[in-house]
Amino acid sequence: DAKTTQPNSMESNEEEPVHLPCNHSTISGTDYIHWYRQLPSQGPEYVIHGLTSNVNNRMASLAIAEDRKSSTLILHRATLRDAAVYYCILRDWGYGGATNKLIFGTGTLLAVQP
Amino acid sequence: SAVISQKPSRDICQRGTSLTIQCQVDSQVTMMFWYRQQPGQSLTLIATANQGSEATYESGFVIDKFPISRPNLTFSTLTVSNMSPEDSSIYLCSVVLDYSPETQYFGPGTRLLVL
Repeated sequence: DAKTTQPNSMESNEEEPVHLPCNHSTISGTDYIHWYRQLPSQGPEYVIHGLTSNVNNRMASLAIAEDRKSSTLILHRATLRDAAVYYCILRDWGYGGATNKLIFGTGTLLAVQP
Repeated sequence: SAVISQKPSRDICQRGTSLTIQCQVDSQVTMMFWYRQQPGQSLTLIATANQGSEATYESGFVIDKFPISRPNLTFSTLTVSNMSPEDSSIYLCSVVLDYSPETQYFGPGTRLLVL
């Protein structure tokens, strides 16, 4: 699986937008970009994923660079509940069990200040 | 979505003993995964446990240490055998829904402390 690089930590203020960057310079054409987050004392939860086009859902937006070598997770208005570790993961699309596994990197610890 | 429960939620065990962790899903799923999260670390995949086939272990994990059962489409167990303090971790199971394979759902984890 291709690797991703994320900053170890970031800080944000409540009610402000947050841009979480991820570099994946060795991404292949069949890799989807997935984001998960892990709230304190919980299992990870899915946030968003995309292939080439920018994506929006109720939780966040995902902006993907034109060359796909980087992406940014955007939280439009951070809340205290968004404090978590955010993982950017490349996942090769397929229906076999081996290609559905997620390989977690170290992630970005997001702190949200009131 | 999928709702996953794990038992026990936490345990304290003596070295040399074994602990079996249960993972129950509220829907039938083919693909299930077991992860370990050591203190302050990210998640590491232990094995893929698809129903109807033998579990596939990642590098560094062996069946003798982490035997897995997958008797049906809603249930799996992971056993941590002959435990040592280095096995103190959070163990999580996760699933992929057959009809929505792009998302993985995680259980709450089992916190294990080995003395």
